Amino acid sequence: EPEVTQTPSHQVTQMGQEVILRCVPISNHLYFYWYRQILGQKVEFLVSFYNNEISEKSEIFDDQFSVERPDGSNFTLKIRSTKLEDSAMYFCASRLFPGTELFFGEGSRLTVL
Amino acid sequence: AQTVTQSQPEMSVQEAETVTLSCTYDTSENNYYLFWYKQPPSRQMILVIRQEAYKQQNATENRFSVNFQKAAKSFSLKISDSQLGDTAMYFCAFMTYTGTASKLTFGTGTRLQVTL
Repeated sequence: EPEVTQTPSHQVTQMGQEVILRCVPISNHLYFYWYRQILGQKVEFLVSFYNNEISEKSEIFDDQFSVERPDGSNFTLKIRSTKLEDSAMYFCASRLFPGTELFFGEGSRLTVL
Repeated sequence: AQTVTQSQPEMSVQEAETVTLSCTYDTSENNYYLFWYKQPPSRQMILVIRQEAYKQQNATENRFSVNFQKAAKSFSLKISDSQLGDTAMYFCAFMTYTGTASKLTFGTGTRLQVTL
């Protein structure tokens, strides 16, 4: 069964460092998403991406965040200068069309010290 | 803006028993989808069941069924014949079908523990 894969599963970084989280969505999917879950809290939408551009972003997704689909298979989330409050589980997700099932990856846990 | 409320932070059920998880939502939209996702300790988000708002019939997937009350904006999940593997965090989620975003709005989750 096709699945969304994310790397790394866990990353520890120092405050102020740049972090790149990587995702390989399901191959024929067209819509890509990043969600975030701070420990013990609900899952929050960060950004959606379609046709090589951001289609919607939340207020969490400020100038420190960026997304890219550099090679047609990877979908990356970059945090330019990490803050303590960026510590969370980051989930990548993809779907074929709006309204169809959203498939999630297993998440990348980011710990900022 | 849409909101999703899950009023039960934790629940416990004995194996083979039935449990119902509550979810209410608020929206001014008429066309939308509702979902229940399961997040076991392995942390992956797994779709359990979905309901299209235009469908009056409640969705069912094996031991999982929903009670969708559109007027009351309520979407509860019933798990029958609970199994140990059902132990997980359960999130209710809402999605409008608008344009290219179609983002999910999640509730805060209900932690379900299935006991022997």
